Amino acid sequence: GAGVSQSPSNKVTEKGKDVELRCDPISGHTALYWYRQSLGQGLEFLIYFQGNSAPDKSGLPSDRFSAERTGGSVSTLTIQRTQQEDSAVYLCASSFRGVPYNEQFFGPGTRLTVL
Amino acid sequence: AQTVTQSQPEMSVQEAETVTLSCTYDTSESDYYLFWYKQPPSRQMILVIRQEAYKQQNATENRFSVNFQKAAKSFSLKISDSQLGDAAMYFCAYRRGSQGNLIFGKGTKLSVKP
Repeated sequence: GAGVSQSPSNKVTEKGKDVELRCDPISGHTALYWYRQSLGQGLEFLIYFQGNSAPDKSGLPSDRFSAERTGGSVSTLTIQRTQQEDSAVYLCASSFRGVPYNEQFFGPGTRLTVL
Repeated sequence: AQTVTQSQPEMSVQEAETVTLSCTYDTSESDYYLFWYKQPPSRQMILVIRQEAYKQQNATENRFSVNFQKAAKSFSLKISDSQLGDAAMYFCAYRRGSQGNLIFGKGTKLSVKP
Protein backbone atom coordinates (compact mmCIF):
# COMPACT_ATOMS: atom_id res chain seq x y z
CA GLY A 1 0.00 0.00 0.00
CA ALA A 2 3.01 2.31 0.06
CA GLY A 3 3.42 5.06 -2.47
CA VAL A 4 6.20 5.57 -4.99
CA SER A 5 9.59 5.63 -3.29
CA GLN A 6 12.86 6.99 -4.59
CA SER A 7 16.41 6.71 -3.38
CA PRO A 8 18.58 8.41 -2.49
CA SER A 9 16.70 11.49 -1.38
CA ASN A 10 19.73 13.63 -2.09
CA LYS A 11 22.87 12.93 -4.05
CA VAL A 12 25.97 15.07 -4.35
CA THR A 13 28.54 14.02 -6.92
CA GLU A 14 31.53 15.41 -8.72
CA LYS A 15 31.50 16.37 -12.35
CA GLY A 16 32.40 13.41 -14.53
CA LYS A 17 31.17 10.72 -12.15
CA ASP A 18 28.34 8.31 -12.90
CA VAL A 19 25.20 8.22 -10.73
CA GLU A 20 22.29 5.83 -10.35
CA LEU A 21 18.88 6.90 -9.12
CA ARG A 22 16.33 4.33 -8.03
CA CYS A 23 12.55 4.28 -8.22
CA ASP A 24 10.19 1.78 -6.60
CA PRO A 25 6.73 2.18 -8.11
CA ILE A 26 3.44 1.33 -6.47
CA SER A 27 2.95 -2.42 -6.52
CA GLY A 28 0.98 -3.54 -9.55
CA HIS A 29 1.43 -0.33 -11.50
CA THR A 30 2.25 -1.12 -15.10
CA ALA A 31 3.60 2.26 -16.20
CA LEU A 32 6.61 4.14 -14.86
CA TYR A 33 7.81 7.60 -15.77
CA TRP A 34 10.91 9.67 -15.09
CA TYR A 35 10.80 13.47 -15.09
CA ARG A 36 13.44 16.10 -14.37
CA GLN A 37 12.68 19.34 -12.54
CA SER A 38 15.15 22.17 -12.81
CA LEU A 39 14.93 25.91 -12.24
CA GLY A 40 15.67 26.79 -15.82
CA GLN A 41 13.66 24.17 -17.66
CA GLY A 42 10.78 23.39 -15.32
CA LEU A 43 9.38 19.86 -15.36
CA GLU A 44 10.58 17.78 -18.31
CA PHE A 45 9.64 14.27 -19.33
CA LEU A 46 12.58 11.90 -19.67
CA ILE A 47 11.43 8.33 -20.27
CA TYR A 48 8.30 6.16 -19.99
CA PHE A 49 7.94 2.42 -19.48
CA GLN A 50 4.63 0.66 -20.13
CA GLY A 51 4.50 -3.03 -19.33
CA ASN A 52 6.70 -5.09 -21.62
CA SER A 53 6.63 -2.57 -24.45
CA ALA A 54 9.75 -0.80 -25.64
CA PRO A 55 10.24 2.33 -23.52
CA ASP A 56 9.55 5.79 -24.88
CA LYS A 57 12.97 7.43 -24.62
CA SER A 58 12.04 10.56 -26.53
CA GLY A 59 12.69 12.88 -23.58
CA LEU A 60 16.22 11.79 -22.72
CA PRO A 61 18.46 14.85 -23.23
CA SER A 62 21.61 13.01 -24.28
CA ASP A 63 23.13 9.57 -24.61
CA ARG A 64 24.64 10.00 -21.15
CA PHE A 65 21.17 9.28 -19.78
CA SER A 66 19.71 5.77 -19.70
CA ALA A 67 17.12 3.89 -17.69
CA GLU A 68 16.14 0.32 -17.04
CA ARG A 69 13.12 -1.29 -15.50
CA THR A 70 13.75 -4.75 -14.16
CA GLY A 71 10.98 -7.30 -13.84
CA GLY A 72 8.37 -4.71 -14.61
CA SER A 73 8.91 -3.08 -11.25
CA VAL A 74 11.96 -1.20 -9.96
CA SER A 75 13.61 1.29 -12.29
CA THR A 76 17.08 2.79 -12.29
CA LEU A 77 17.99 6.02 -14.04
CA THR A 78 21.69 6.24 -14.82
CA ILE A 79 23.54 9.41 -15.71
CA GLN A 80 27.06 8.90 -16.99
CA ARG A 81 29.84 11.49 -16.86
CA THR A 82 27.64 13.94 -14.96
CA GLN A 83 27.74 17.62 -15.85
CA GLN A 84 26.75 20.62 -13.75
CA GLU A 85 23.67 21.16 -15.90
CA ASP A 86 22.43 17.73 -14.76
CA SER A 87 21.78 19.22 -11.31
CA ALA A 88 18.04 18.94 -10.76
CA VAL A 89 15.34 17.04 -8.92
CA TYR A 90 14.57 13.75 -10.62
CA LEU A 91 10.97 12.64 -10.13
CA CYS A 92 9.55 9.21 -10.73
CA ALA A 93 5.85 8.43 -11.19
CA SER A 94 3.82 5.29 -11.75
CA SER A 95 0.32 4.55 -12.95
CA PHE A 96 -2.01 1.64 -13.57
CA ARG A 97 -3.36 1.36 -17.07
CA GLY A 98 -7.05 0.78 -17.23
CA VAL A 99 -8.29 2.89 -14.37
CA PRO A 100 -10.08 6.14 -15.16
CA TYR A 101 -7.71 9.01 -15.91
CA ASN A 102 -4.68 6.70 -15.64
CA GLU A 103 -3.51 8.96 -12.82
CA GLN A 104 0.22 9.27 -12.24
CA PHE A 105 1.41 9.00 -8.64
CA PHE A 106 4.70 10.71 -7.93
CA GLY A 107 7.56 9.90 -5.62
CA PRO A 108 9.34 12.51 -3.48
CA GLY A 109 12.19 12.86 -5.95
CA THR A 110 15.97 12.69 -5.78
CA ARG A 111 17.82 16.00 -5.64
CA LEU A 112 21.04 15.64 -7.63
CA THR A 113 23.81 18.19 -7.19
CA VAL A 114 26.81 18.02 -9.48
CA LEU A 115 29.80 19.97 -8.19
CA ALA B 1 4.04 19.93 -30.34
CA GLN B 2 1.81 20.44 -27.37
CA THR B 3 2.62 23.25 -24.96
CA VAL B 4 1.25 24.39 -21.61
CA THR B 5 1.52 27.99 -20.45
CA GLN B 6 1.03 29.34 -16.96
CA SER B 7 1.32 33.10 -17.18
CA GLN B 8 1.37 33.82 -13.44
CA PRO B 9 4.72 32.92 -11.85
CA GLU B 10 3.42 33.97 -8.43
CA MET B 11 0.04 34.61 -6.85
CA SER B 12 -1.06 35.60 -3.39
CA VAL B 13 -4.41 35.17 -1.64
CA GLN B 14 -5.81 36.03 1.76
CA GLU B 15 -6.87 33.11 3.91
CA ALA B 16 -10.56 32.21 3.33
CA GLU B 17 -10.63 34.13 0.03
CA THR B 18 -10.86 32.75 -3.51
CA VAL B 19 -8.04 32.67 -6.06
CA THR B 20 -7.88 31.61 -9.70
CA LEU B 21 -4.77 30.26 -11.36
CA SER B 22 -4.55 30.47 -15.14
CA CYS B 23 -3.45 27.86 -17.63
CA THR B 24 -3.61 27.75 -21.41
CA TYR B 25 -2.50 24.96 -23.69
CA ASP B 26 -1.94 24.36 -27.33
CA THR B 27 -2.84 21.11 -29.07
CA SER B 28 -4.37 19.84 -32.27
CA GLU B 29 -5.49 16.61 -30.59
CA SER B 30 -9.13 15.90 -29.73
CA ASP B 31 -8.49 13.24 -27.08
CA TYR B 32 -6.58 14.60 -24.13
CA TYR B 33 -6.64 15.07 -20.38
CA LEU B 34 -5.79 18.07 -18.25
CA PHE B 35 -4.54 18.06 -14.69
CA TRP B 36 -3.62 20.39 -11.88
CA TYR B 37 -0.87 19.19 -9.53
CA LYS B 38 0.20 20.74 -6.25
CA GLN B 39 3.83 20.60 -5.11
CA PRO B 40 4.52 21.72 -1.52
CA PRO B 41 8.08 22.28 -0.28
CA SER B 42 8.32 18.55 0.44
CA ARG B 43 8.57 18.09 -3.39
CA GLN B 44 5.75 15.52 -3.40
CA MET B 45 3.53 16.13 -6.43
CA ILE B 46 -0.12 15.70 -5.50
CA LEU B 47 -2.96 15.51 -7.99
CA VAL B 48 -5.54 18.20 -7.23
CA ILE B 49 -8.05 17.83 -10.03
CA ARG B 50 -8.40 16.39 -13.53
CA GLN B 51 -10.56 16.90 -16.60
CA GLU B 52 -11.19 14.87 -19.73
CA ALA B 53 -11.37 16.97 -22.86
CA TYR B 54 -14.56 15.30 -24.06
CA LYS B 55 -16.44 16.22 -20.90
CA GLN B 56 -18.12 19.62 -21.04
CA GLN B 57 -18.90 19.71 -17.35
CA ASN B 58 -16.22 21.38 -15.25
CA ALA B 59 -14.57 19.14 -12.69
CA THR B 60 -14.86 19.92 -8.99
CA GLU B 61 -13.13 18.45 -5.96
CA ASN B 62 -14.28 20.02 -2.70
CA ARG B 63 -12.82 23.56 -2.62
CA PHE B 64 -11.12 23.11 -5.99
CA SER B 65 -12.85 23.59 -9.32
CA VAL B 66 -11.81 24.25 -12.87
CA ASN B 67 -13.09 26.45 -15.64
CA PHE B 68 -12.46 24.42 -18.79
CA GLN B 69 -12.91 26.44 -21.97
CA LYS B 70 -12.10 23.99 -24.75
CA ALA B 71 -12.43 26.37 -27.67
CA ALA B 72 -10.17 28.87 -25.97
CA LYS B 73 -7.83 26.09 -24.78
CA SER B 74 -8.00 27.42 -21.27
CA PHE B 75 -8.02 25.41 -18.03
CA SER B 76 -8.02 27.61 -14.94
CA LEU B 77 -8.07 26.41 -11.34
CA LYS B 78 -10.24 28.09 -8.72
CA ILE B 79 -9.47 27.57 -5.05
CA SER B 80 -12.27 28.64 -2.73
CA ASP B 81 -11.96 29.34 0.99
CA SER B 82 -8.16 29.29 0.72
CA GLN B 83 -6.29 27.68 3.58
CA LEU B 84 -2.71 28.06 4.77
CA GLY B 85 -2.06 24.49 3.64
CA ASP B 86 -2.86 25.46 0.06
CA ALA B 87 0.41 27.36 -0.19
CA ALA B 88 2.52 25.52 -2.77
CA MET B 89 3.61 25.44 -6.39
CA TYR B 90 0.76 24.56 -8.72
CA PHE B 91 1.42 22.93 -12.06
CA CYS B 92 -0.98 22.60 -14.94
CA ALA B 93 -0.36 19.50 -17.04
CA TYR B 94 -1.56 18.02 -20.34
CA ARG B 95 -1.59 14.44 -21.51
CA ARG B 96 -2.44 13.29 -24.99
CA GLY B 97 -4.82 10.38 -24.85
CA SER B 98 -5.46 7.93 -22.04
CA GLN B 99 -1.80 7.17 -21.28
CA GLY B 100 1.63 8.59 -21.74
CA ASN B 101 3.76 11.33 -20.32
CA LEU B 102 2.56 14.62 -18.91
CA ILE B 103 3.53 18.00 -20.34
CA PHE B 104 3.77 20.59 -17.60
CA GLY B 105 3.54 24.34 -17.42
CA LYS B 106 6.22 26.31 -15.58
CA GLY B 107 4.12 26.53 -12.44
CA THR B 108 2.54 29.19 -10.25
CA LYS B 109 3.76 29.75 -6.72
CA LEU B 110 0.77 30.40 -4.47
CA SER B 111 1.17 32.16 -1.15
CA VAL B 112 -1.64 32.27 1.40
CA LYS B 113 -1.65 35.16 3.86
CA PRO B 114 -3.17 34.65 7.32
